Amino acid sequence: GESVGLHLPTLSVQEGDNSIINCAYSNSASDYFIWYKQESGKGPQFIIDIRSNMDKRQGQRVTVLLNKTVKHLSLQIAATQPGDSAVYFCAGKTGNQFYFGTGTSLTVIP
Amino acid sequence: KAGVTQTPRYLIKTRGQQVTLSCSPISGHRSVSWYQQTPGQGLQFLFEYFSETQRNKGNFPGRFSGRQFSNSRSEMNVSTLELGDSALYLCASSFTGARTDTQYFGPGTRLTVL
Repeated sequence: GESVGLHLPTLSVQEGDNSIINCAYSNSASDYFIWYKQESGKGPQFIIDIRSNMDKRQGQRVTVLLNKTVKHLSLQIAATQPGDSAVYFCAGKTGNQFYFGTGTSLTVIP
Repeated sequence: KAGVTQTPRYLIKTRGQQVTLSCSPISGHRSVSWYQQTPGQGLQFLFEYFSETQRNKGNFPGRFSGRQFSNSRSEMNVSTLELGDSALYLCASSFTGARTDTQYFGPGTRLTVL
């Protein structure tokens, strides 16, 4: 079946460092991807998205890279801050349905 | 613009009971999807509604059902609750649910089944 998975369940980074969270997907027909941030007790919050006709997209302090050849995408967070501590997960869309990874828990060490 | 709202935020029920959860999408959004989130399984797709019709359905038993009203608000119902139904139930909305339509989530309803 279709799957979207994250490489590491947990990640710890020092405040001010850059963070990289990875995600792999199985279906080459997936054509739209979203990264979400979920803080404890809250619903997932949209961070950034990318369409399959793009390789890179930048937002405020965040960059998403898409490598369709190896079916991999990553989220880069620049100058990570304590408020970035949360669970991050990617979602890939195939047709009209999203498939979600299980999440990477990011802890920022002050 | 107000975000996706869900009520109630917390529910405690006992096995065998039924429960109804409500979701109001972002104004103008017509597609509403429901997900179950548990620590072990992550986000699992339940179903999607568009224009009052169920358009997609995940692999959940018939005890899980939903509906959408003409104002795009949606409800989800779970009958004959089981302990394993304890989870965070999330609603997400998008304009039409088209291929590259961004999906926004509500805060979720935390259901605990005792």
